[in-house]
Amino acid sequence: RKEVEQDPGPFNVPEGATVAFNCTYSNSASQSFFWYRQDCRKEPKLLMSVYSSGNEDGRFTAQLNRASQYISLLIRDSKLSDSATYLCVVRRDNYGQNFVFGPGTRLSVLP
Amino acid sequence: EAQVTQNPRYLITVTGKKLTVTCSQNMNHEYMSWYRQDPGLGLRQIYYSMNVEVTDKGDVPEGYKVSRKEKRNFPLILESPSPNQTSLYFCASSFRRLTDTQYFGPGTRLTVL
Repeated sequence: RKEVEQDPGPFNVPEGATVAFNCTYSNSASQSFFWYRQDCRKEPKLLMSVYSSGNEDGRFTAQLNRASQYISLLIRDSKLSDSATYLCVVRRDNYGQNFVFGPGTRLSVLP
Repeated sequence: EAQVTQNPRYLITVTGKKLTVTCSQNMNHEYMSWYRQDPGLGLRQIYYSMNVEVTDKGDVPEGYKVSRKEKRNFPLILESPSPNQTSLYFCASSFRRLTDTQYFGPGTRLTVL
């Protein structure tokens, strides 16, 4: 079993739709959680960190459930420019550099 | 412009021929990492460094070496490349006090024949 698993996708949704991505992690000692975005053949970029109380950034909402070892990302009112692969990332050590990336879920927003 | 640069961006080589992929950042970041990305496996960490002369293994260090002699540079060395090291490689850096945000280089696509 992979340490970080994500919905296999791809997700094809119309513009304006709401879409949710799920991620689970197996290492209960994991300290920090993130969502990254990666456009085709480009470098990953941080979308948002995920906090225990949940957090929102514009149209994006992230949730963390430590008991279930589950992370989610909700995108509301999706735009064509949201088309990308979304990577769930877990850090094993607090404030360190030992990161584990999920395989990613690809999103295509269709006109 | 603040950035992480990698060279070369594309490389085709043959088995056993030593190569180095360079990584440089101009943001005075303490932390740097190397990843490889393969279809279906996502990014996997090869090595990371938390300061000059301080390096540690990630999840897939076999067949790779790194060094951190200067803060800005973190080269990845393949002493004897093999076809299973064909991959897309990314270097990343971050501030010690803001380790949430990793800044990635543009990637190096390596093919080993």
